Amino acid sequence: DAKTTQPTSMDCAEGRAANLPCNHSTISGNEYVYWYRQIHSQGPQYIIHGLKNNETNEMASLIITEDRKSSTLILPHATLRDTAVYYCIASSGTYKYIFGTGTRLKVLA
Amino acid sequence: NAGVTQTPKFHILKTGQSMTLQCAQDMNHGYLSWYRQDPGMGLRRIHYSVAAGITDKGEVPDGYNVSRSNTEDFPLRLESAAPSQTSVYFCASSYWVKDYPYEQYFGPGTRLTVT
Repeated sequence: DAKTTQPTSMDCAEGRAANLPCNHSTISGNEYVYWYRQIHSQGPQYIIHGLKNNETNEMASLIITEDRKSSTLILPHATLRDTAVYYCIASSGTYKYIFGTGTRLKVLA
Repeated sequence: NAGVTQTPKFHILKTGQSMTLQCAQDMNHGYLSWYRQDPGMGLRRIHYSVAAGITDKGEVPDGYNVSRSNTEDFPLRLESAAPSQTSVYFCASSYWVKDYPYEQYFGPGTRLTVT
């Protein structure tokens, strides 16, 4: 399963869009891109996933580049409760998740 | 639905003692897995199961055993605890369909300290 690279930390003003990038240049054709977040020391929470097309749900949008080598998670209107560590994972049907250290997002009031 | 539950929430163990961490899910999921998370690091998979009676090793299985006798429960056993097993342990569950990875639901975690 492909490794992913994310910035260590980011800040975002409350009410603005948070754009979290992820690089997965070695992703293979059958690997999906997943995003999870972990608030404090709670269990990770699923956000969204996609294969090729852009995806949107009630929490976020996922934009995957055409060559699938990178993606961006967008939280459209960040709130203080979105402060968390965000993990980008590339995984196939083996469910092997390689968690890196993620991006620590801090939403500022 | 309670989702994924884990017990205990916290525990302190002495080196060499044994212990079982409990995990249960009520979503009729086929896939269950155990992860550990060490300070400042991401989660690493220990063992997993795709159905009752079927278990397999994850990426860091040494020192841990699992069994799965039914759909709901997936206990993790430490036979002889070592300080290196001090960690936060998460159980996760998911639907299982071959070659399609559904999202995983994580439990609240068990914080284990081995002295």
